[in-house]
Amino acid sequence: GNSVTQMEGPVTLSEEAFLTINCTYTATGYPSLFWYVQYPGEGLQLLLKATKADDKGSNKGFEATYRKETTSFHLEKGSVQVSDSAVYFCALSASGTASKLTFGTGTRLQVTL
Amino acid sequence: DAGVTQSPTHLIKTRGQQVTLRCSPKSGHDTVSWYQQALGQGPQFIFQYYEEEERQRGNFPDRFSGHQFPNYSSELNVNALLLGDSALYLCASSRRDRDYQPQHFGDGTRLSIL
Repeated sequence: GNSVTQMEGPVTLSEEAFLTINCTYTATGYPSLFWYVQYPGEGLQLLLKATKADDKGSNKGFEATYRKETTSFHLEKGSVQVSDSAVYFCALSASGTASKLTFGTGTRLQVTL
Repeated sequence: DAGVTQSPTHLIKTRGQQVTLRCSPKSGHDTVSWYQQALGQGPQFIFQYYEEEERQRGNFPDRFSGHQFPNYSSELNVNALLLGDSALYLCASSRRDRDYQPQHFGDGTRLSIL
C-alpha cells in the first residue's frame, strides 16, 4: 500500500540555521506530494505541494522538489525563524484516490534564539 | 471567509458511549473528509463524503460512521467507544471540481475516552 516515511524528530535548530526534513514515499502510479504544518492546538495548514516529477513546491521560504527517481520530497528552508517551530507532515495523494491523504508521522521542529 | 469549523473543541466520554462530531466546510467546498490523529502520529484517513454519500473509506471499523447534509456539513459518529479512540479528529473540506486539492483542515475535536 501507499506510505510516507519522515525523519524522526525533534529537530532543534538555532535561528537562521538551514533546515532539511527528509521525506520518502511508496506509492503506485504518480502521486501528488504535500507538506503540511501544524502549530500547537491547531489543525493542519498546507505549506506547499508538487503534482508531478521534478516539480518544485515553494511557500514562505520553504521548498521541496518531487524526485521520482529517489521517491523523495525533502523539505528545505535556508534560514529558519522561531515562528517556524511546529510539526511538519509529509503526505501523498495517490492516483485514483485524490481525496485521500496518506501522512507521515510528522517531524517536530524547535527553533531557538 | 470562514474556514472549516468543527465542534465541539473538546469532548470527554467513557468507554461504551457514543459520540457525534460536527464539521462545517469552507465556503464553496462540497466534499468533506475525516481523519483521526492519535497523539504523536500523523492523521489517518477515516472516510470521505460527497453528494451526501460515503465515497472512500480507510481501515476503520463500522463503529465509525458519518453523514453529509444538503448544505455540505458533516457529522462523524463513533459507537461503542474504546480507550483507543482517544485522538484528535480532523475534518478537511475540498472541491470535487478541483480534484479535491488543496484540502483545508479545521482545528479538530479532541476526544478523550475515560
